[in-house]
Amino acid sequence: DGGITQSPKYLFRKEGQNVTLSCEQNLNHDAMYWYRQDPGQGLRLIYYSQIVNDFQKGDIAEGYSVSREKKESFPLTVTSAQKNPTAFYLCASTEGDYGYTFGSGTRLTVV
Amino acid sequence: AQSVTQPDIHITVSEGASLELRCNYSYGATPYLFWYVQSPGQGLQLLLKYFSGDTLVQGIKGFEAEFKRSQSSFNLRKPSVHWSDAAEYFCAVGARDSSYKLIFGSGTRLLVRP
Repeated sequence: DGGITQSPKYLFRKEGQNVTLSCEQNLNHDAMYWYRQDPGQGLRLIYYSQIVNDFQKGDIAEGYSVSREKKESFPLTVTSAQKNPTAFYLCASTEGDYGYTFGSGTRLTVV
Repeated sequence: AQSVTQPDIHITVSEGASLELRCNYSYGATPYLFWYVQSPGQGLQLLLKYFSGDTLVQGIKGFEAEFKRSQSSFNLRKPSVHWSDAAEYFCAVGARDSSYKLIFGSGTRLLVRP
């Protein structure tokens, strides 16, 4: 079955460390998105990409970076510049009708 | 700027009772509107969507929502709630450009009493 795979499910980051969250889809969707979820704040858009080798900042891009070298992959790096990275991160894709398919998320905790 | 407000953080209903979750949006034109559901520790699943036409839309799992332009609302309803409906529900509005971005509300957590 087609879907989105996010890994790892849980991730722990030390202060000053960069970590990369994986997002892979086999739906052949062009558009992919990264959202951050904090309790009581809903989902906030970090980055999105509509085609390979192109991506745009969302509302809270500071401290994050992405790449889109392959259609099926859209990894997110949480850099040391992100001062409050503890959150639940969700990756999604769509074929262009807003009907997002979401991954099951990565919970990142700073230790 | 587009925004979505879900005024209820938590709602508790008894199993078998009816449900209405509120959603208000701010948008200059006719919005694209969505309801998603999230089980704990999981991603989101699309329940239903409104683009145009009939203002009452049917979704999966017995849910429906009604678009009311005069009230800038898109409330989600279900006539009889099941214990498995306990989850967090998000209303969202779509950016009407080529980005297909969604702007989400803060969510409403539904608790179901046996």
